[in-house]
Amino acid sequence: DGGITQSPKYLFRKEGQNVTLSCEQNLNHDAMYWYRQDPGQGLRLIYYSQIVNDFQKGDIAEGYSVSREKKESFPLTVTSAQKNPTAFYLCASSTSLPGVSGEQFFGPGTRLTVL
Amino acid sequence: AQSVTQPDIHITVSEGASLELRCNYSYGATPYLFWYVQSPGQGLQLLLKYFSGDTLVQGIKGFEAEFKRSQSSFNLRKPSVHWSDAAEYFCAVATSASKIIFGSGTRLSIRP
Repeated sequence: DGGITQSPKYLFRKEGQNVTLSCEQNLNHDAMYWYRQDPGQGLRLIYYSQIVNDFQKGDIAEGYSVSREKKESFPLTVTSAQKNPTAFYLCASSTSLPGVSGEQFFGPGTRLTVL
Repeated sequence: AQSVTQPDIHITVSEGASLELRCNYSYGATPYLFWYVQSPGQGLQLLLKYFSGDTLVQGIKGFEAEFKRSQSSFNLRKPSVHWSDAAEYFCAVATSASKIIFGSGTRLSIRP
């Protein structure tokens, strides 16, 4: 079945450590996204990528980094520069063909807790 | 600037009662609109979407939504809720083929 996988489901990190969240999709989508979700704040866009080897900052990119070396993969690194990294992180993908709605498909999420 | 407003943070309805969740958007062009549902600790699942044409759209799990351009609204409805409908619901508008703006969500609780 086609879909998006995120791993791990739960992640614990000590302060000052970098950590990388995995996101893989087999939907053959060009565009991929990372969102951060905090209680009562909905989804906030961290980074997005419309094509391999290219990505753009979203609304809250500070303290995060990404790479897009393969179409299927869009890992997110939460660096020690992120002041409040404890949150639920969601990865999504969509086709970016012209005239298409841009409906996004979501992975199951990773809950990151900083100890 | 584009935006999506969900004015109700939390709604409680009795099982079997009807439901309407409100959504207002701000977008200059013809919008692509979505409703997503999220169960606790899970990703988002698409309930329905509006691109063009008939302003009343049907979705999964018995949900429907009506696009009203004059009111800039896209309210979600269900005639009779089930306990399994308890979740968080997000309205969203696509600003381009590659970006979506989400509302802050409405948490739905079901009273037995």
